[in-house]
Amino acid sequence: NAGVTQTPKFRILKIGQSMTLQCAQDMNHNYMYWYRQDPGMGLKLIYYSVGAGITDKGEVPNGYNVSRSTTEDFPLRLELAAPSQTSVYFCASSEKQGARTEAFFGQGTRLTVV
Amino acid sequence: AQTVTQSQPEMSVQEAETVTLSCTYDTSESDYYLFWYKQPPSRQMILVIRQEAYKQQNATENRFSVNFQKAAKSFSLKISDSQLGDAAMYFCAYGDYSNSGYALNFGKGTSLLVTP
Repeated sequence: NAGVTQTPKFRILKIGQSMTLQCAQDMNHNYMYWYRQDPGMGLKLIYYSVGAGITDKGEVPNGYNVSRSTTEDFPLRLELAAPSQTSVYFCASSEKQGARTEAFFGQGTRLTVV
Repeated sequence: AQTVTQSQPEMSVQEAETVTLSCTYDTSESDYYLFWYKQPPSRQMILVIRQEAYKQQNATENRFSVNFQKAAKSFSLKISDSQLGDAAMYFCAYGDYSNSGYALNFGKGTSLLVTP
């Protein structure tokens, strides 16, 4: 029962490098999300998707891109990494069926940009 | 935008005692959902309890219960018979149908310390 799987768990990037954070879910959920969590803060929404082929910006999208070619996968791309992108990144998914609006989270990726 | 406020950065409770974590939120919606998530040192976000705004009855899950005051926009979490494994960050979160594909808005969290 995998749920939401994120890779990698840890990564160190140099300023200006690029990388893709992978996220996959096996629950056939339509809704998927990327959040970032800075120290002492709650989670902030970066991008979200309501289904394959449909994505939109959240609260803090600058410096990131996403794609959703399948229901299962929702990768997050960082272009030209900056120190301000040092954070913990969470992928989540959910399926709205009446009251069951629970979001399921991956274990997070700790990213450090130096 | 809906905001979620947790006014207690840190709380401490002795094992077997009861502790209440506070949360207030701001919204103009009448139909929404509220959640408490637990984040232990492993970083995993774990759903503790959920409350639908249209339900007047407070949600309970074993030792965890909420005090939902819709008019006051307050949603506190009560942990009874606290255990060492309850030590974690606790996040209050809000979601509604108008919010970015039902994404959640989170408070800044409350760090709960449980002492023997």
